[in-house]
Amino acid sequence: GQNIDQPTEMTATEGAIVQINCTYQTSGFNGLFWYQQHAGEAPTFLSYNVLDGLEEKGRFSSFLSRSKGYSYLLLKELQMKDSASYLCAVRDKDYKLSFGAGTTVTVRA
Amino acid sequence: IAGITQAPTSQILAAGRRMTLRCTQDMRHNAMYWYRQDLGLGLRLIHYSNTAGTTGKGEVPDGYSVSRANTDDFPLTLASAVPSQTSVYFCASSLKPGGPDTQYFGPGTRLTVL
Repeated sequence: GQNIDQPTEMTATEGAIVQINCTYQTSGFNGLFWYQQHAGEAPTFLSYNVLDGLEEKGRFSSFLSRSKGYSYLLLKELQMKDSASYLCAVRDKDYKLSFGAGTTVTVRA
Repeated sequence: IAGITQAPTSQILAAGRRMTLRCTQDMRHNAMYWYRQDLGLGLRLIHYSNTAGTTGKGEVPDGYSVSRANTDDFPLTLASAVPSQTSVYFCASSLKPGGPDTQYFGPGTRLTVL
């Protein structure tokens, strides 16, 4: 099974940078995903890491260290629309996803 | 392109009643999934199907059943609803179970069991 931990809440100012950490323990690692979920909506895909290192997609970057069971999602140049919940999910060797409880990010003007 | 749809959007159900939540995707994805999302617990996998004709149990399968008669549809049935099944239910699909393919989520069904 999986044990996935991420902070419950984070607050940052518009234009700033926020880093959301995710640690996990897994019986068979097969990829890590980050999703964004606005209140009352479905999760949407942000990033995928399966090898160690940094993946950059515009204002969002995600990092993975498999040996440490650690990932982070970096949100740069924060905008008000980035206020949402961010979900870390780990895929196991049977291709099933396990999700963390999510980190609620509040962006203030 | 509709993507993935769910019905109903929301439902209030008396305990003990039978209920089927519908999920349909038009992306010809092989794999489909059902999750429930509860405050503070995140998304938890109920059942999944890696391809039409096969299903598997997730983390919280008790009280739920699924079928996958064809590629497009993946209904979730609560045989006899209980209040602890009050939750938001998300259906998801992916092209195939592995690789970089992400899961695409439907809009969700908000279910209240009284």
